[in-house]
Amino acid sequence: KQEVTQIPAALSVPEGENLVLNCSFTDSAIYNLQWFRQDPGKGLTSLLLIQSSQREQTSGRLNASLDKSSGRSTLYIAASQPGDSATYLCAARNQAGTALIFGKGTTLSVSS
Amino acid sequence: GAVVSQHPSWVICKSGTSVKIECRSLDFQATTMFWYRQFPKQSLMLMATSNEGSKATYEQGVEKDKFLINHASLTLSTLTVTSAHPEDSSFYICSAAWGDTEAFFGQGTRLTVV
Repeated sequence: KQEVTQIPAALSVPEGENLVLNCSFTDSAIYNLQWFRQDPGKGLTSLLLIQSSQREQTSGRLNASLDKSSGRSTLYIAASQPGDSATYLCAARNQAGTALIFGKGTTLSVSS
Repeated sequence: GAVVSQHPSWVICKSGTSVKIECRSLDFQATTMFWYRQFPKQSLMLMATSNEGSKATYEQGVEKDKFLINHASLTLSTLTVTSAHPEDSSFYICSAAWGDTEAFFGQGTRLTVV
């Protein structure tokens, strides 16, 4: 059964720092992997979707990588801003059309 | 991306009553809908998967008679929490997909049972 783990659980950084959030998954035979942002008490905002055949995806200051063989994905945030403060969730989909399996998230706090 | 609307965004109900949450795909036909539950400071846990016109498939530990899921059309799925109790208080969120495409999420529903 797929399990998704995110490290660290919480992270505090000063504004302007580059940072990396880590995600690992136990079953490397994934269909795709997705990173989300969740603000307190709110729903999910999709950030990046990486298909199993891809190695990375980029959107603005965000870059997500995928290494299926090692069961890892990273989300790189460049030049962090206070507005980036949120919980970041990693989720893996094992097969097309099936549900996403979520990690517990990394809560990021960026101070000005 | 596609739009999924979830209603209500928050609800407070008395213990023992039932609450219905709606999940609508506004601009696409959702062949599959997923329902998740999220307790405070926890991750999203899959409750059930529903395919249009079929009975929902529930995850282990989720009571199908307590959490009634209906997916009668390609644009609407409902989750009814029956005989709600305080321990059912949680954040419920749905996602909808068509075929093998990416699933899109609703805004979530904050349920508080008093």
